[in-house]
Amino acid sequence: EAGVAQSPRYKIIEKRQSVAFWCNPISGHATLYWYQQILGQGPKLLIQFQNNGVVDDSQLPKDRFSAERLKGVDSTLKIQPAKLEDSAVYLCASTPSGGLSSYEQYFGPGTRLTVT
Amino acid sequence: QQQVKQSPQSLIVQKGGISIINCAYENTAFDYFPWYQQFPGKGPALLIAIRPDVSEKKEGRFTISFNKSAKQFSLHIMDSQPGDSATYFCAARGAQKLVFGQGTRLTINP
Repeated sequence: EAGVAQSPRYKIIEKRQSVAFWCNPISGHATLYWYQQILGQGPKLLIQFQNNGVVDDSQLPKDRFSAERLKGVDSTLKIQPAKLEDSAVYLCASTPSGGLSSYEQYFGPGTRLTVT
Repeated sequence: QQQVKQSPQSLIVQKGGISIINCAYENTAFDYFPWYQQFPGKGPALLIAIRPDVSEKKEGRFTISFNKSAKQFSLHIMDSQPGDSATYFCAARGAQKLVFGQGTRLTINP
């Protein structure tokens, strides 16, 4: 079973520029999450999708961050314009829907963003 | 109330020793408590998890101890090996979301 795929793996941009990250979850996983992991901290949930609908985006800075999940499969996370404090690793995770297996989140390798 | 507090921030253990990482939570609605292991440049990977109706769960060298009344849980790594050197995160699940602790950087000296 292929894991969660993310691209790019690394990105360096200047502040005020825009950037987009892509995630392809495990096949058949209905729930998709985007997390922000700042160096030395645990992952912080940004947004949760169930199929192509948003379940929770309460911690997403909506003035600059946006996310979508087209057709309930792949997802993109965009930052526009980026700030220095957005430097972090952006992790995508997915889970199957229903039952105890839905508790287990499978993470991708992340995209390391550096804003200069 | 949504926080999970993890300690210590860093831990150095000799090969063959026992590594112990502790977490505490406040929200009694949490229903699932996983531990994740993260190597540099990789995403977190599920290591072991426990539900609050169980006081202990063991998988190989890894054991979770869970104290519901104290709202605390801990990870014990027996016979710690250099390959266990990584960052460990505890987490708690509530309302279909995971809340993570701050992480513990574990170093096993050979």
